[in-house]
Amino acid sequence: DTGVSQNPRHKITKRGQNVTFRCDPISEHNRLYWYRQTLGQGPEFLTYFQNEAQLEKSRLLSDRFSAERPKGSFSTLEIQRTEQGDSAMYLCASNRERTGELFFGEGSRLTVL
Amino acid sequence: DQQVKQNSPSLSVQEGRISILNCDYTNSMFDYFLWYKKYPAEGPTFLISISSIKDKNEDGRFTVFLNKSAKHLSLHIVPSQPGDSAVYFCAAIYGGSQGNLIFGKGTKLSVKP
Repeated sequence: DTGVSQNPRHKITKRGQNVTFRCDPISEHNRLYWYRQTLGQGPEFLTYFQNEAQLEKSRLLSDRFSAERPKGSFSTLEIQRTEQGDSAMYLCASNRERTGELFFGEGSRLTVL
Repeated sequence: DQQVKQNSPSLSVQEGRISILNCDYTNSMFDYFLWYKKYPAEGPTFLISISSIKDKNEDGRFTVFLNKSAKHLSLHIVPSQPGDSAVYFCAAIYGGSQGNLIFGKGTKLSVKP
C-alpha cells in the first residue's frame, strides 16, 4: 500500500497528557499537510511542510502543538498538555504540486477524557 | 467566518437521477476549487477540481460548474448511484498560499436504490 499512512488510528488519553501522531506520506511527495476535523465540520488546516521546512502554520496551531518533518519524509504532530477541546480527527495529506490532488490518510482519532 | 459554505447539510436523491451539490465562497482570491468525497472512517478522497479561469470541468459522471460572478460552484453527479452515498466537501485554495485547502462543512448525500 503506497498511500498516506497514519498511526495510531485511535488514541484515548487523559487531560494533561502528551500525545504524538505520525504520518508517512506518499514517498515521492515533498509537500505534507496536517488538518484537524471535528464533528459536523470540514477539515481545518493546521500546518504545511515542503520537504523538511515548515512553511505555513494556522492560528489554530497553539503553542501546545508542534509538528516536525526532520528528514523531509515522515512527520509527527505532538500535542502537549491535552485538553478536551483537542478531541478530533487529525488528518495528514501529501501532494507534489500546489494544486495537485491532495492525498489524505485515514486519520488519527484523538479522544481526551 | 466561513469562507467556503455548503448550506445544505444533507441531500437525498433517487438512484439514476441527478445529484446537485452546491457551494458558495466569499473570498475572491480563491484560484482553485476542489470536491472531495468522504466515507465513514476514511480520509477524504479527491473527486474533481476546477481552476478559477474555467467555468466547467467534466470527468465521467461528475461535472463541476463555477460561476465566479456569483461566487458559486456546484457538483453534478449524473446518473447518481448508491455507491455515491457519502459526505461531499467543497474546498478552495487561496491564491498565493502554499496550497492548503479551505473546506466547507460538507453535504451528506444519500442515493436511494
